[in-house]
Order: sequence, then C-alpha cells, then structure tokens
Amino acid sequence: NAGVTQTPKFRVLKTGQSMTLLCAQDMNHEYMYWYRQDPGMGLRLIHYSVGEGTTAKGEVPDGYNVSRLKKQNFLLGLESAAPSQTSVYFCASSDQPSTGNTIYFGEGSWLTVV
Amino acid sequence: AQRVTQPEKLLSVFKGAPVELKCNYSYSGSPELFWYVQYSRQRLQLLLRHISRESIKGFTADLNKGETSFHLKKPFAQEEDSAMYYCALTYSGNTGKLIFGQGTTLQVKP
Repeated sequence: NAGVTQTPKFRVLKTGQSMTLLCAQDMNHEYMYWYRQDPGMGLRLIHYSVGEGTTAKGEVPDGYNVSRLKKQNFLLGLESAAPSQTSVYFCASSDQPSTGNTIYFGEGSWLTVV
Repeated sequence: AQRVTQPEKLLSVFKGAPVELKCNYSYSGSPELFWYVQYSRQRLQLLLRHISRESIKGFTADLNKGETSFHLKKPFAQEEDSAMYYCALTYSGNTGKLIFGQGTTLQVKP
C-alpha cells in the first residue's frame, strides 16, 4: 500500500542547478499539492492541481514550476536552484475535497542548495 | 486573510502531566480544523479533525468559535507523544488547500 511516494528523498544541489521532484499517488486522487516545510514557518503551499492537466499557484510559487501530465503524478521543478529553496518538500493528495476527506502526505524530500 | 497561529514553538512536559497545545485561527466563515502530527523525520499524519469529534491516542480538541481556538489536549502525556504538531485550517471552496500554523514541538520527558 504505497499511498503517496516522493523521489528523491535527499538531494544536494549547487546554486543554479535544476532538478525535478516526483510525486506519485496510487489512490486515484484528483487533487495534489506541493508544500515546503521550514522551521518556524510551518508548511506553505507552493503549487497545487485539481486534476490531470491543471495546475495553480499557491502561497509561495516563485522559483518553482509544476506539471500534472498524468493523474497519478505531480512534478515539482526547480529551474535554477537558490539557497533559499533549501527546505523539506512534502507532496500530498486527496479526493475531491469535502467535509470528511483526508489529505495524505508523502514522506518528504530533503533538498539542500549550496 | 486566513491565518493559523500556534504561539508555542516548544512545549516540554513530564510523562503523566496534562498537555495543551494551543491553536488560534482567523477566518470569518465556517472553518474546518485539523491537527496533524509528525514524528521524527516522518510524514504528516492526520490526528484529529473537528467535525468528527473523536479522540485519537487520548487526544481531544474542541472548536471554540467564540475564541477562534482549536486547542489540542491530552490528560496524561506519554513519551511516545513527543513529536511536532501542526494545526491546520481549510474551508469550503478552498479546493482542499490547508493553511498551517507554525507548528509546536512537544517534548515529553521521562
């Protein structure tokens, strides 16, 4: 029972490098989200998707791009990494939000930009 | 703007002591409130949601609309409760997006 899977789990990047984080869910969920977790700031929404082929900006989208080409996958891209993007990234998914729906989180991806 | 505030970064108690993790929110409509728990370097797990009014692992939380609070309580803390706790809010029409508080680390000492 995989649920929400993120790859890679750990990555060190040099400033200016690019990379993509992959989120995969096997629950046939429509909605997917990318959050970043920083000390003292909780989790903040980067981008989200309400279905295959759709994406939208969250609270802190600058420096990131996303794609949802397949319903089960939600990719987060960093085109030119900056030290300020050092963070823990969490993907999450849910069925169509309604009272009582649960949002499921991945295990997190630790990214360090040097 | 909607906001969730957890005023304590760290709460340290002894095993067996009562615990109260504070959460205040600002939202003028009818919120949906949650508590999530994150054990060391693991994924966030849903602990409680206010609509279900259930008790999980001995924790309870009551929504107080007058005080705009959703404090998490447990009468007797256990060492295994040591974790990061996040209060979160969403509302109808917000496409499921969660607004998180800053998080409170609960440390239960033996």
